[in-house]
Amino acid sequence: DFVMTQSPDSLAASLGERATINCKSSQTVLYMSNNKNYLAWYQQKPGQPPRLLISWASTRESGVPDRFSGSGSGTDFTLTISSLQAEDVAVYYCQQYYTTPWTFGQGTKVEIK
Amino acid sequence: EVQLVQSGAEMKKPGESLRISCKGSGYSFTSYWISWVRQMPGKGLEWMGRIDTTDSYSNYSPSFQGHVTISVDKSISTAYLQWRSLKASDTAMYYCARGDVVRGVGGMGVWGQGTTVTVSS
Repeated sequence: DFVMTQSPDSLAASLGERATINCKSSQTVLYMSNNKNYLAWYQQKPGQPPRLLISWASTRESGVPDRFSGSGSGTDFTLTISSLQAEDVAVYYCQQYYTTPWTFGQGTKVEIK
Repeated sequence: EVQLVQSGAEMKKPGESLRISCKGSGYSFTSYWISWVRQMPGKGLEWMGRIDTTDSYSNYSPSFQGHVTISVDKSISTAYLQWRSLKASDTAMYYCARGDVVRGVGGMGVWGQGTTVTVSS
């Protein structure tokens, strides 16, 4: 199985600061035939289902604020929140859908300092 | 509005059977796969398996294969997650989720509200 490892497990940043979450896959999720990375990022707030933020490693979903961005390719990926807002307090997960079983990272908890 | 609406919370005893549901609306139900995702209390997300809503082909994570069954009734736009014999360790929140790509794989952009399953003697 693909193992997705996120770092850090948690982070605290001040309002307006940049927050960066890393995700490393045990195998590449880059599909060579279409040059797409099969990697998504989700946000989960307490008591709510997850929300898809980014798919294909860097494509922001409709309605997602542009302070959220995804980057990376192959096995190493990053979710960046350019200016942390109070409403961004949540747990963030990466997920590969390159092959089944699809797998999630363990999650990164983001808090306000 | 595109949505997935799940059945309500369940409290069961070990060894009992259970089926929970996930009804899609606001879109062409058979155009997208449905997945099920488990979240144990205070823990992360685990993908359990998925089903092709057109032909009922399903595949499972090895962690769940043989313990749960995913099925679909496309006539009522509903997917199911079923257990024949529950264990206390099945206590969790269960989410259904729909992929974002028609007849293909992609991020899961539509989620149900979740169904809490509690298994206790």
